[in-house]
Amino acid sequence: QVQLQESGPGLVKPSETLSLICTISGYSISSDDYWGWIRQPPGEGLEWIGSIYRTGSTYYNASLKSRVTISADMSKNQFSLKLRFVTAADTAVYFCAGDKNGFHSWGQGTLVTVSS
Amino acid sequence: EVVLTQSPGTLSLSPGERATLSCRASQSVNANYLAWYQQKPGQAPRLLIYGASSRATGIPDRFSGSGSGTDFTLTITRLEPEDFAVYYCHQYGSLYTFGQGTKLEIK
Repeated sequence: QVQLQESGPGLVKPSETLSLICTISGYSISSDDYWGWIRQPPGEGLEWIGSIYRTGSTYYNASLKSRVTISADMSKNQFSLKLRFVTAADTAVYFCAGDKNGFHSWGQGTLVTVSS
Repeated sequence: EVVLTQSPGTLSLSPGERATLSCRASQSVNANYLAWYQQKPGQAPRLLIYGASSRATGIPDRFSGSGSGTDFTLTITRLEPEDFAVYYCHQYGSLYTFGQGTKLEIK
């Protein structure tokens, strides 16, 4: 049973960098899956941020690409998200998820608020 | 970018009725890589359907997906009380995009 857990600060100041980690348990990050980040502003829909494959290949939403970096730490079975120069518009619940023919496993999500 | 438009925005039905949710793509979805998710308040989305018509593990057979190209449908036969939620379609054939969601509410 795959389990994912997001961790990181719940409050980030404007213009700073949002950093989150997703820890995978019960499954290897080196498996034939992609691993992704999705966010959901309060009361709104889902937005894909980007994904990473075991080879290190990354794919990003064009609208966020200039500010996003996703990386993986195979030794810790984790992958991470960095979103630079955040604004209030980046306030959202951030989910990590495993992806093979759709996002089959999700973390519970973590609310990140951008505010001074 | 493949834009997904879901309709209706809100669907009001009673338990036992049949629900039909639509997802239309701005261009053909590669290999019918289209998924559907259910999301309840305060929870992460749950994968229901992938590949346009394949049910994910543990999903009841009252949920079915159909369609190809640019037009896709999620059908829920005999609505149960726990089915009232928000439903999203998602294409993963050309990077990834989500529809804006359909809220299925109790009439």
